[in-house]
Amino acid sequence: EAQVTQNPRYLITVTGKKLTVTCSQNMNHEYMSWYRQDPGLGLRQIYYSMNVEVTDKGDVPEGYKVSRKEKRNFPLILESPSPNQTSLYFCASRQGTNEQFFGPGTRLTVL
Amino acid sequence: GQSLEQPSEVTAVEGAIVQINCTYQTSGFYGLSWYQQHDGGAPTFLSYNALDGLEETGRFSSFLSRSDSYGYLLLQELQMKDSASYFCAVEAYGQNFVFGPGTRLSVLP
Repeated sequence: EAQVTQNPRYLITVTGKKLTVTCSQNMNHEYMSWYRQDPGLGLRQIYYSMNVEVTDKGDVPEGYKVSRKEKRNFPLILESPSPNQTSLYFCASRQGTNEQFFGPGTRLTVL
Repeated sequence: GQSLEQPSEVTAVEGAIVQINCTYQTSGFYGLSWYQQHDGGAPTFLSYNALDGLEETGRFSSFLSRSDSYGYLLLQELQMKDSASYFCAVEAYGQNFVFGPGTRLSVLP
């Protein structure tokens, strides 16, 4: 089954404790992206990648890092999480067409 | 800055037609997409317009006017399962995507 997977689905952590949210897709898509979703703000793009070793900042990259060492994986790294990064995070991928396939989401709470 | 505007809420009855508008102001424009998101779920793709005009996909249609920086999603023969949030999204410069704040559609019996 073609899909985008994210782990973990839910995470509660404390300020300053480094964490990684994994994202993997099995569709051989070149493009992958991370979004955060907050009430009333829609989805805001954090980082995106057009291919292996090619990443670029979206609209809200501060406090986040990404890497794209393999085509299928695009982890999101929070080196020192803060409460304002409490949000719902979505990973997405696409290939050629304009349809983005979204993962199930990761709900992160930073205390 | 980059911004998209949509109505926050729309309510309609089953079987009716509803239009959700989207206006945008972005640095660069390649196309306008629409996504549906049910509560607790992930966004799913509905349609895409790169050129002016109407695109039809079953009960859903999407329209774009590039000169007016405006588009809309038209939902016909509304069903209860259409109750969800709908987001417009612009592919701006490069492959940077900007989403609108979302419109919550409630379909009443």
